[in-house]
Amino acid sequence: EAGVAQSPRYKIIEKRQSVAFWCNPISGHATLYWYQQILGQGPKLLIQFQNNGVVDDSQLPKDRFSAERLKGVDSTLKIQPAKLEDSAVYLCASSVIRNTEAFFGQGTRLTVV
Amino acid sequence: GENVEQHPSTLSVQEGDSAVIKCTYSDSASNYFPWYKQELGKRPQLIIDIRSNVGEKKDQRIAVTLNKTAKHFSLHITETQPEDSAVYFCAASRETSGSRLTFGEGTQLTVNP
Repeated sequence: EAGVAQSPRYKIIEKRQSVAFWCNPISGHATLYWYQQILGQGPKLLIQFQNNGVVDDSQLPKDRFSAERLKGVDSTLKIQPAKLEDSAVYLCASSVIRNTEAFFGQGTRLTVV
Repeated sequence: GENVEQHPSTLSVQEGDSAVIKCTYSDSASNYFPWYKQELGKRPQLIIDIRSNVGEKKDQRIAVTLNKTAKHFSLHITETQPEDSAVYFCAASRETSGSRLTFGEGTQLTVNP
């Protein structure tokens, strides 16, 4: 089966600029996650969708981060404006339902300079 | 929310030895405990998972044990090989609406030939 697709793979922006990441989950997967992985740390959940509804965004810095999952399929994560500390790999993952194996995309490595 | 602690942060073993990584969790309602392997520059991939209705699960050289009373679970790798070298993450979640998959900070395992 096709995996989770993410783009772009790499992005370098200056602080205070905006950036958007795209994710296409595995077909039929109802649950979609966005994780932030800072170098040397474990993935930290930013937002979790069940179909097109948000079920957990408690760790999303809502003053600068936003995410949507229109039609319960693709998702975009946006940062505006970016800060230096946002430099990380942004991982998208999907699962058939929650509490089952989460399949990860390759991630987007963001560098904010 | 759930808090997952993982140790050690680094582990170096000789090829053929066993490796053990331990995690503790805080939410007694958590009932799903996956382990992910992440090779350098690659996506995390599930290697084994366990649910709270069992105490141990094995898959060839990999086993996971769960102690619900003590709220800890462990990954055991026997007969380690150089290709086992990677970062290993434990995670925990529960089967309720809004439950997030929370990761530990990771263990860098190095298997020396």
